[in-house]
Amino acid sequence: DVKVTQSSRYLVKRTGEKVFLECVQDMDHENMFWYRQDPGLGLRLIYFSYDVKMKEKGDIPEGYSVSREKKERFSLILESASTNQTSMYLCASGGGGAVQDTQYFGPGTRLTVL
Amino acid sequence: QKEVEQNSGPLSVPEGAIASLNCTYSDRGSQSFFWYRQYSGKSPELIMSIYSNGDKEDGRFTAQLNKASQYVSLLIRDSQPSDSATYLCAVNELFGYALNFGKGTSLLVTP
Repeated sequence: DVKVTQSSRYLVKRTGEKVFLECVQDMDHENMFWYRQDPGLGLRLIYFSYDVKMKEKGDIPEGYSVSREKKERFSLILESASTNQTSMYLCASGGGGAVQDTQYFGPGTRLTVL
Repeated sequence: QKEVEQNSGPLSVPEGAIASLNCTYSDRGSQSFFWYRQYSGKSPELIMSIYSNGDKEDGRFTAQLNKASQYVSLLIRDSQPSDSATYLCAVNELFGYALNFGKGTSLLVTP
C-alpha cells in the first residue's frame, strides 16, 4: 500500500511566523506535490517536484517555498504566515515519467493562522 | 489554463439507485483520467483511473471515457449512504507532471 504521511493533522500559528509542513512518501515516487484546498476553490497546486532538488511553481506559489533534499521528503515552507494562508494543505506523490501517473494523497494538514 | 468542469451538486440519489457523475475537460491532449472520492474533512482517495475510450468497471464503480467529446463519467451502482462524499475528477496535462482537478460533485445517498 502506498503511504504518504504529513507531519501534522492540525496546526495553529500566528501571523508572521515561519511554518514548515513536511511530507514523506514510502513508494520511491519521482514526483511530489503540494496543494491547498479551500471551499469553493477546489484543489490548487502550489509547487511540485519531479526530482530531488528540482521544483516547479504551480498555480499559486506566492508566499510559499519548498525543499526536496531527499527523494522521499518534500517540505512546504510559509516564509511569513498570513491569515489568508489558513487552509487545508494536501501533499501528494506519484510515479513519474512523461505520462502522469496516479497521485496518492496524504491525510492533509489543517492550518489556521491567527 | 486547462479546465476541468464538474457540476457542484449536490446530487441526491436514493439508496440502491445508480449515481451518475460527469466531468468535461478542455485539454485535447490529455491521456490519463482519474476519479477521487473525498469525505468531509478527509483527503482525496483514488477510486478509478481510465486511459482508453470506453468503459472500465471495478466493483460497483464504472468509469466511462469519450475522448472525442472530452467527457469522462463515473457511475456508482447500488448506491449506499457510505458513498455520500465529494467526487473529484482529475485529468493529466500532456507531457506535464501535474493533474488538473475539477472542483468536485457532492453526492448524497439517502436511505
